[in-house]
Amino acid sequence: NAGVTQTPKFQVLKTGQSMTLQCAQDMNHEYMSWYRQDPGMGLRLIHYSVGAGITDQGEVPNGYNVSRSTTEDFPLRLLSAAPSQTSVYFCASSSLGLANNEQFFGPGTRLTVL
Amino acid sequence: GQNIDQPTEMTATEGAIVQINCTYQTSGFNGLFWYQQHAGEAPTFLSYNVLDGLEEKGRFSSFLSRSKGYSYLLLKELQMKDSASYLCAVRVYNNNDMRFGAGTRLTVKP
Repeated sequence: NAGVTQTPKFQVLKTGQSMTLQCAQDMNHEYMSWYRQDPGMGLRLIHYSVGAGITDQGEVPNGYNVSRSTTEDFPLRLLSAAPSQTSVYFCASSSLGLANNEQFFGPGTRLTVL
Repeated sequence: GQNIDQPTEMTATEGAIVQINCTYQTSGFNGLFWYQQHAGEAPTFLSYNVLDGLEEKGRFSSFLSRSKGYSYLLLKELQMKDSASYLCAVRVYNNNDMRFGAGTRLTVKP
């Protein structure tokens, strides 16, 4: 099992550009989520999904879109990048059938918006 | 609002015991998690508490008091590799919304 994979690992964008961060998992997990991590602020939930075709907003959804067409994939789209979106982005997945809902995190994408 | 507080930094000596505290005020509670994150890496799961009391897992233990909105992570027999950030997180509202504290950066010295 590859676990949770994310691409790219690093990305530099100019203000106003759009892009998609890719996330995939091969553990057949129902739940997938996107977080951003900024210094001194911890992980903040952007969007999450409890299954194919179902998505919902987290704590900081503005400026981001998601879709969940398959169980395996959960891409995050930046519609028009802004410097405030410079951050490290983590994708995570978990099985809703487990009581502890342990989340498995991908390696992260470091995004810089100039 | 949601508030999860933990100390920013801690330092301890190799072989010693350290306790990292976490206090929370959240709308709803459905479990408290501790994650470890080494610099430049992804968080990894350490422990989960949903009922009051102590959960022990090898050198690591986690305690929860729901009435006090308080948890701690206890690390025994510290090793240099334990130098990392430790993240406290609360599952709120339902099974799907997770809120994280800012993390405690632990430095283990020889």
